[in-house]
Amino acid sequence: SQKIEQNSEALNIQEGKTATLTCNYTNYSPAYLQWYRQDPGRGPVFLLLIRENEKEKRKERLKVTFDTTLKQSLFHITASQPADSATYLCALNRRGGGNKLTFGTGTQLKVEL
Amino acid sequence: DTAVSQTPKYLVTQMGNDKSIKCEQNLGHDTMYWYKQDSKKFLKIMFSYNNKELIINETVPNRFSPKSPDKAHLNLHINSLELGDSAVYFCASSQDPAGPHGNTIYFGEGSWLTVV
Repeated sequence: SQKIEQNSEALNIQEGKTATLTCNYTNYSPAYLQWYRQDPGRGPVFLLLIRENEKEKRKERLKVTFDTTLKQSLFHITASQPADSATYLCALNRRGGGNKLTFGTGTQLKVEL
Repeated sequence: DTAVSQTPKYLVTQMGNDKSIKCEQNLGHDTMYWYKQDSKKFLKIMFSYNNKELIINETVPNRFSPKSPDKAHLNLHINSLELGDSAVYFCASSQDPAGPHGNTIYFGEGSWLTVV
């Protein structure tokens, strides 16, 4: 069966360090992968999209990598700040899947002073 | 300006009642969605409409019925509410998935439904 797995345990890091979140998938052939941020009581907000033929994407302090051989995406936040504390969701759109985007369960990130 | 707005934000109702959640988007998108997020924070698609036409209907009880009067609106009607329907329901919209942005989803702020 198709699965998208993210670390269910919260990730706690110190301010200024790099946070790395993992998204693994099985039995998918994704056309592209997206990362979203969700704050408590709010809807998810789009951060980055990376396509199957791209290895890496950057946006300010954010970096996403996509390894279709390992079936894994890594999401990095450099120079992390307490304001980065949130739940981060990865989502896949498979090739030929139209506009159906399937989400992982999310990883909660806590950046401490 | 709110891009995707949904009402009500909070809804507490008794089992067996019928309720509706309204959604509107002012982004000019052709595709709208309803997602459900359960107590474990798992976000799952329920329905997708493209230009008022239903294109995705996941395994959802037929007590849930989406209605799209025009491409800017997608309302969710729920009949005979059950305890297990308690969740957060998110409306969302996107552009053409084949476009340069893929189907980047723009979410509303959610509607917290509690069935007692």
